[in-house]
Amino acid sequence: QVTLRESGPALLKPTETLTLTCTVSGFSLKTGGMCVSWIRQSPGKALEWLALIDWDDKKYYTTSQKTRLTISRDTTKNQVVLTMTNMDPVDTATYYCTRMSMVQGIFRWFDPWGQGTLVTVSP
Amino acid sequence: QSVLTQPSSVSGAPGQRVTISCTGSSSNIGAGYDVHWYQQVPGTAPKLLIWGNANRPSGVPDRFSASKSGTSASLAITGLQAEDEADYYCQSYDSSLSGSWVFGGGTKLTVL
Repeated sequence: QVTLRESGPALLKPTETLTLTCTVSGFSLKTGGMCVSWIRQSPGKALEWLALIDWDDKKYYTTSQKTRLTISRDTTKNQVVLTMTNMDPVDTATYYCTRMSMVQGIFRWFDPWGQGTLVTVSP
Repeated sequence: QSVLTQPSSVSGAPGQRVTISCTGSSSNIGAGYDVHWYQQVPGTAPKLLIWGNANRPSGVPDRFSASKSGTSASLAITGLQAEDEADYYCQSYDSSLSGSWVFGGGTKLTVL
C-alpha cells in the first residue's frame, strides 16, 4: 500500500523558512518513473502545484515561487523535503505531498495524496 | 486566477445529473495534455476521481464519467447522492513558461 505523510511546523513567523518533510512508504523514490510533488491549498482556495522531484533527482518548480523553493530527497529515509524561504501570511495553507508516475515519457496524475499539514504564518 | 476555469458552484437534487466544465487553452488541454479530476470532501485530502480524461480508478462508481474535447473537459455525475457533495478539481499540464502542472479553481457541488 502506497502512503505519504507530511510533517513540519504548524506555525511560523513572517520571514522564517518553512521546512516540510514527506515520508513515503510502499514505493521507492529511486524506482524509475516515481515522482513526488508538493501542492498547497490556502483556506477556501484552489490547489496550487509547487514542486516535483523525480526518480532521477530532477527537480521542477512553479515559476511564481521558484526563487523561494527547494525540493530534495533522502532516499535512505524515503523522504522528500520542501523548503520555502521568506514565509508570509499569504503562504498560510495546507501543504500536501503526493505521488506522480511517469510512464512512457508522460507524466501521469497525482495519486495518492498525504493527509496534508496546515501551516499558519502569523506574527 | 486559475489557468483552468471551472464554475465556482453547481447543485442538483438527489438522483439528478450534473456536469462540471473545465476550460483551458492551447498550452494545456488544447495541446493534448490529459485532464484528471479530483474529489475533495471538506476537511480531507483530494482523491483521484478520473485519470487520463475519462478513466475511473477502481472503486469509483460508474456514476462518474468525464470527457475531453478541444480546449475543454467536463465531468458528469449521474444519480446524485448526498455523499457526492464535495469540491471537484480538474488538473492538466501547461507548457507555457517553463511548464507546470495546473489545476482548475474548483467547483463546489451541493446536493439539494
